[in-house]
Amino acid sequence: KNEVEQSPQNLTAQEGEFITINCSYSVGISALHWLQQHPGGGIVSLFMLSSGKKKHGRLIATINIQEKHSSLHITASHPRDSAVYICAVSNFGNEKLTFGTGTRLTIIP
Amino acid sequence: NAGVTQTPKFRVLKTGQSMTLLCAQDMNHEYMYWYRQDPGMGLRLIHYSVGEGTTAKGEVPDGYNVSRLKKQNFLLGLESAAPSQTSVYFCASIPILSGPLLSQFFGPGTRLTVL
Repeated sequence: KNEVEQSPQNLTAQEGEFITINCSYSVGISALHWLQQHPGGGIVSLFMLSSGKKKHGRLIATINIQEKHSSLHITASHPRDSAVYICAVSNFGNEKLTFGTGTRLTIIP
Repeated sequence: NAGVTQTPKFRVLKTGQSMTLLCAQDMNHEYMYWYRQDPGMGLRLIHYSVGEGTTAKGEVPDGYNVSRLKKQNFLLGLESAAPSQTSVYFCASIPILSGPLLSQFFGPGTRLTVL
């Protein structure tokens, strides 16, 4: 069993729909990261969170430490949101991240 | 600032050939990482460095060597390339560790094919 699991693996939705991507982890963590990888390949960090919720534009990330679960939400989805979304976790004093396999999101106009 | 850059962007090698991938960052970051990304798998850590002159093995280090002679550069070497090393390679860096690991800055990737 992978330490970080994402669901779904693939998600196709119509423009404007509310999107939820889930991430579950099996180890204690100090922080959880959400990253975005565009079709061109570049990877950018979206959020780092250790509790509660963070919002940036139409993106919202939440984390429940007790349930070892995080969600990434996209409101009013747009075709430019099409990308692979990757969840990763880190531990205190550990310089390394453990990555999920990613969720491929496709938004259809 | 250029951020994190990788050289080259693409490369095709024959089995047994050697090459070096260069990662450079101009943000004065202490930590640097080399990952490989393969279809259906998450990013996997090859080697990493927590400062100039230091390196450590990651999850999949076999067949690779690294060096961090200067703080801004992190080199990944393949001494004798194998088809199993066909992959997309990403470099990343972060500032010095203080509390939870900060968000990483990624390079654009190097697509390597070994025939």
